[in-house]
Amino acid sequence: GNSVTQMEGPVTLSEEAFLTINCTYTATGYPSLFWYVQYPGEGLQLLLKATKADDKGSNKGFEATYRKETTSFHLEKGSVQVSDSAVYFCALSRIIQGAQKLVFGQGTRLTINP
Amino acid sequence: DVKVTQSSRYLVKRTGEKVFLECVQDMDHENMFWYRQDPGLGLRLIYFSYDVKMKEKGDIPEGYSVSREKKERFSLILESASTNQTSMYLCASSLRGSGRAVNTQYFGPGTRLTVL
Repeated sequence: GNSVTQMEGPVTLSEEAFLTINCTYTATGYPSLFWYVQYPGEGLQLLLKATKADDKGSNKGFEATYRKETTSFHLEKGSVQVSDSAVYFCALSRIIQGAQKLVFGQGTRLTINP
Repeated sequence: DVKVTQSSRYLVKRTGEKVFLECVQDMDHENMFWYRQDPGLGLRLIYFSYDVKMKEKGDIPEGYSVSREKKERFSLILESASTNQTSMYLCASSLRGSGRAVNTQYFGPGTRLTVL
C-alpha cells in the first residue's frame, strides 16, 4: 500500500540553524510528493512539491529532492527563522476518479528559538 | 486567492448528537475532501467528492457521511457523535485533475470538535 513515514518530532532548533526533516515513502507506481506546512491556528498550506524522480521542489528557502532510489523526500533549509515554527507534513498523491488523494505522514512539529 | 471556509473553528457536542460540519470553497473546484487530524497520525481522509452528488469513501469513513448538493459546499455529518470522534476536522478542495496533472489541495482552517 501507500504510506509516508516522517522523522519523529518535536524538533527544536536555534535561529539560523540548518534544518533537515526526513521523509520516506512506500508507493506503487510513481507518486507526486509534497510538503505541507501548518502554522499555529491555521489550515495546511502547500510548501513545495515534486512530480517525478530527481525533481527539486523549493519555496521560501526550503528545498526537497524526489529520490526514487532511496524513496525519500527530505525537507531542508539552510538557515531557519523563528517564523518557520510550525508543523510540517510530508505527503504523496494517488489518483482516484480524477481526484488527487493525499496520503500524509504523521507530521513533525518544529520550534525555532531566537 | 482561493478561499476555503469552515462553519466553526470550535464545536462542543454531546455523545449521540447529530453533528454537521460545513465547508465552502469559492474557486469553482470540482474536488472536495474531508480529513481528520490527530496527533501522531497526521491527516486521514474520511470522504471525498469529485462532483456534485458524488462521493467516495476515504480511508476512515466509518461513523461519518457526507453531502454535496452544490458544487461549492461539502458537508460532513456525524450521525451519532461519539467521544472517539473528538478531533480536528479539515476540509480541502482542488481542481479536477487529468492524467498526472498535479492539482494543489487548498485547506480550510479546521474545526476542532470535542464530543463529551
